[in-house]
Amino acid sequence: EPEVTQTPSHQVTQMGQEVILRCVPISNHLYFYWYRQILGQKVEFLVSFYNNEISEKSEIFDDQFSVERPDGSNFTLKIRSTKLEDSAMYFCASSEEQGNTGELFFGEGSRLTVL
Amino acid sequence: GENVEQHPSTLSVQEGDSAVIKCTYSDSASNYFPWYKQELGKRPQLIIDIRSNVGEKKDQRIAVTLNKTAKHFSLHITETQPEDSAVYFCAASPYNKLIFGAGTRLAVHP
Repeated sequence: EPEVTQTPSHQVTQMGQEVILRCVPISNHLYFYWYRQILGQKVEFLVSFYNNEISEKSEIFDDQFSVERPDGSNFTLKIRSTKLEDSAMYFCASSEEQGNTGELFFGEGSRLTVL
Repeated sequence: GENVEQHPSTLSVQEGDSAVIKCTYSDSASNYFPWYKQELGKRPQLIIDIRSNVGEKKDQRIAVTLNKTAKHFSLHITETQPEDSAVYFCAASPYNKLIFGAGTRLAVHP
């Protein structure tokens, strides 16, 4: 069964450093998302991406965050200057249809620890 | 924007009992309501979903009901088993995103 894959599974970084989290969505999917989950809390929407541009973003997704689809398969989340409060599990997701009509498939997550 | 409230935050049942988790949402534009199960350290996995043109949907021991007028939807698990123990999240989808509830930690005791 096709899966969303994410790398790295765990990254430890110093405050102020840049981090790039990588995702390979399911190949025939058109809609891509990043969510985050702070330990023990709910899953929070960050950004949705379609047709090579951001379609929607949350208040969390400020100027420190950016997303990119650098080639036909990867979808990346960059945090320019990490803060302690960026420590969380980051989930990439993809869907064949728009988010209010189709199932979201989540990757296994990338755990980011900012020291 | 959309806000999803979920209750209870924790639920403890005996094996074989039923479990009910309730959610409310605020944005009448939401028309897709999935439920996800998340085991410790794992990704959220879809267990059942319902769309706004349907009032109830059932899949074996799991059922979901939706009341669009009241903006309520609920998850019902019957004949619970220890492997049902996990955190369950409801979500509502206005436009191109999912907004999740805070989660319910379900513990099923043998």
